[in-house]
Amino acid sequence: GENVEQHPSTLSVQEGDSAVIKCTYSDSASNYFPWYKQELGKGPQLIIDIRSNVGEKKDQRIAVTLNKTAKHFSLHITETQPEDSAVYFCAASISGGYQKVTFGTGTKLQVIP
Amino acid sequence: NAGVTQTPKFRVLKTGQSMTLLCAQDMNHEYMYWYRQDPGMGLRLIHYSVGEGTTAKGEVPDGYNVSRLKKQNFLLGLESAAPSQTSVYFCASSWDLGANTGELFFGEGSRLTVL
Repeated sequence: GENVEQHPSTLSVQEGDSAVIKCTYSDSASNYFPWYKQELGKGPQLIIDIRSNVGEKKDQRIAVTLNKTAKHFSLHITETQPEDSAVYFCAASISGGYQKVTFGTGTKLQVIP
Repeated sequence: NAGVTQTPKFRVLKTGQSMTLLCAQDMNHEYMYWYRQDPGMGLRLIHYSVGEGTTAKGEVPDGYNVSRLKKQNFLLGLESAAPSQTSVYFCASSWDLGANTGELFFGEGSRLTVL
């Protein structure tokens, strides 16, 4: 089955700096890669996703890149703000209907004011 | 629009007791899921359902049972709780047939402690 590895497990950055979280996956059939943000005491919430036919996607201060050949994808957050502090999960799945999603182990991001 | 609602939010059980977690969604989603979240292990799929009256095993199904008698509800049962089932449980739903998205919508979680 699919295996998703995520690094680092914790990340501290100064407010205004950039943060990068990296994930690798094992199943070449995976074609949908979402990123979820989990705030303290809440459920995960989708913040951005990318499909395998796209190499990069941006949404304001967040961007995701995908390298299908190397089977890795990354989340980039620029101009970090204290409200970006949360746990971030990457995931890999085969899109369409039932979502057989495999999650990474999570990255706890702390943005220091 | 409440989205995905889980009850209860907190529960403490003794080893061997039974309990049921209830998940309700109001988005007319076809698919529903139960995950458990443990430190350093991310989210692991326990059971899932692709429609009313159907259920299937996920990655870590042992010790749990589920039922989906109504499309909007997905129940997770523990027949004889064990300390290893201490965890935070998340319900999720997905797939509005009119939308082309793989997004999972999560509830706020149910924290279960088994003593």
